[in-house]
Amino acid sequence: AQTVTQSQPEMSVQEAETVTLSCTYDTSESDYYLFWYKQPPSRQMILVIRQEAYKQQNATENRFSVNFQKAAKSFSLKISDSQLGDAAMYFCAPRFDSWGKLQFGAGTQVVVTP
Amino acid sequence: NAGVTQTPKFQVLKTGQSMTLQCAQDMNHEYMSWYRQDPGMGLRLIHYSVGAGITDQGEVPNGYNVSRSTTEDFPLRLLSAAPSQTSVYFCASSYSKAPNTGELFFGEGSRLTVL
Repeated sequence: AQTVTQSQPEMSVQEAETVTLSCTYDTSESDYYLFWYKQPPSRQMILVIRQEAYKQQNATENRFSVNFQKAAKSFSLKISDSQLGDAAMYFCAPRFDSWGKLQFGAGTQVVVTP
Repeated sequence: NAGVTQTPKFQVLKTGQSMTLQCAQDMNHEYMSWYRQDPGMGLRLIHYSVGAGITDQGEVPNGYNVSRSTTEDFPLRLLSAAPSQTSVYFCASSYSKAPNTGELFFGEGSRLTVL
């Protein structure tokens, strides 16, 4: 069975500081996608960043970057220069099949303090 | 662009009642799915479809029914609502063929309460 683990239920960060969210997963697949989604209080699911497993280069999107370690099956998200608008629940979600089925971790609540 | 549209956004049911959550997408996505979100458990897959006429069970299918008669629509039916089905439900869709970015597009969610 494929599992996704986010071991940090909540992380607190000060504005302008950096926070890293961890995610590990288990799969026997070699080619897959990895995603981080953000869910603010509005409940909307917003794509933050994606990574293709065949790419060695880590993905970046403005202040968001990932550290993808394929052998370790680890996919962490770094939020730099944190802003109040970054406060949300963050979900790690790998996609191991060819159709679209994503598996979700339990989520990490990010709290941003002024 | 409408994207993925879910209705209703809120619903209160009594135990034993039935209802249908509607989902429609206008992006010509082959893949459509339903998730439920419960505190501390992330999103769990209920049912999914890879095209019109093709559906399959996800991780937590019991008590739910789906059909896919068109590419655009993927309704989720609760046959006899139970308090354990109190949750937030998300419909999501994606491309399954090139150019395939793998991303799921989500509806805004539907909060269902079963008394």
